[in-house]
Amino acid sequence: QKEVEQNSGPLSVPEGAIASLNCTYSDRGSQSFFWYRQYSGKSPELIMFIYSNGDKEDGRFTAQLNKASQYVSLLIRDSQPSDSATYLCAVKGGSYIPTFGRGTSLIVHP
Amino acid sequence: ETGVTQTPRHLVMGMTNKKSLKCEQHLGHNAMYWYKQSAKKPLELMFVYNFKEQTENNSVPSRFSPECPNSSHLFLHLHTLQPEDSALYLCASSQDLGGDYNEQFFGPGTRLTVL
Repeated sequence: QKEVEQNSGPLSVPEGAIASLNCTYSDRGSQSFFWYRQYSGKSPELIMFIYSNGDKEDGRFTAQLNKASQYVSLLIRDSQPSDSATYLCAVKGGSYIPTFGRGTSLIVHP
Repeated sequence: ETGVTQTPRHLVMGMTNKKSLKCEQHLGHNAMYWYKQSAKKPLELMFVYNFKEQTENNSVPSRFSPECPNSSHLFLHLHTLQPEDSALYLCASSQDLGGDYNEQFFGPGTRLTVL
């Protein structure tokens, strides 16, 4: 069974700090990796997609992928209270349907 | 209306009731999904439709019955549910099922409570 593991948290960081969210996956054939953000009471929205090993940057967000070690991470620089949300990792392999982790709750305190 | 819409947003039903959840996507997508989201659990995939054809039934109990009359609409018919079925039910759509990049767009969800 394909598994995607995330620490449920909460991860608490001060405003302005770097938040580091991690995700590991079991399917070595996985090819596409997604980070969704879900605010409390809202639906998930895609914030990052990564396909190749290495880093991908978009504004304050950086996704890091290491296929050999089977992990993908999301870094949020200059964290803001508005970043407080649950971050869902999703991994897509041979199956056409992504598998989601349980999500990590992030709290950014002023 | 834009994106993915779901109705109703909240639903309280008894175990003997029959109700339906509705999802509509205005994105021109061909694939639609039902997910169940319970507290502290990963998103659970329930059903997938691609071009109106069901391609995935993730061992969902028969008290949940999906219907996809066209690529824009998806229903989830509910009957004789159990209290443990109380959860947030999310509908999502994507362009199709292929490719490496296949962003899913989620609706706001229906918060279901079974008494």
